[in-house]
Amino acid sequence: QSVLTQPPSVSAAPGQKVTISCSGSSSNIGNNYVSWYQQLPGTAPKLLIYDNNKRPSGIPDRFSGSKSGTSATLGITGLQTGDEADYYCGTWDSSLSAGDVFGTGTKVTVL
Amino acid sequence: QVQLQESGPGLVKPSQTLSLTCTVSGGSISSGGYYWSWIRQHPGKGLEWIGYIYYSGSTYYNPSLKSRVTISVDTSKNQFSLKLSSVTAADTAVYYCARKNQGIAAAGTWNWFDPWGQGTLVTVSS
Repeated sequence: QSVLTQPPSVSAAPGQKVTISCSGSSSNIGNNYVSWYQQLPGTAPKLLIYDNNKRPSGIPDRFSGSKSGTSATLGITGLQTGDEADYYCGTWDSSLSAGDVFGTGTKVTVL
Repeated sequence: QVQLQESGPGLVKPSQTLSLTCTVSGGSISSGGYYWSWIRQHPGKGLEWIGYIYYSGSTYYNPSLKSRVTISVDTSKNQFSLKLSSVTAADTAVYYCARKNQGIAAAGTWNWFDPWGQGTLVTVSS
């Protein structure tokens, strides 16, 4: 059971912007860094954002990340059909059952 | 660049042990600085972290799976492996290996998984 909550789905037309929220608690997002992953259909997850808002080499600046309190947000601007995928947030949870945790996942649909 | 590739049986019988290996190319596990991880994804579901190992052999497991999981490393082959015992249908999933970057800063623990292997589907069925 995921401890990070994301909306099941978001959608927008090509060229528009979408945001995906990731809600946690003080034991995870509130006191640790957040990463984001893109999973295209039938493929492995791919790192999109790390350390809350940093992009690995090769990730376009259409993708952005932010964090405030116990929530994080992934933004995608200039939406493209190739952005249709599942997106997951991830972080470390420092509770008694410490370990890596992922969000419930959000399906992005380009209308 | 570093690449990871999972290998192992795609079908395991209930109560038996699931065994997978991840072969790392383009980089050495022995160089340190990273944690080598296993993550799984049940069909149509989200991601579940299983555990990770450092090149020295230090391990850390998901508490919910800890009693059944063993992760080991073979630096001579640049591989690390997963064993999950007493499997049931609930262990049917795509299993990924991934390199984990983790550290501690003033603002908390930073960690991310990159790169990932392509994943391998393991079905538990008689």
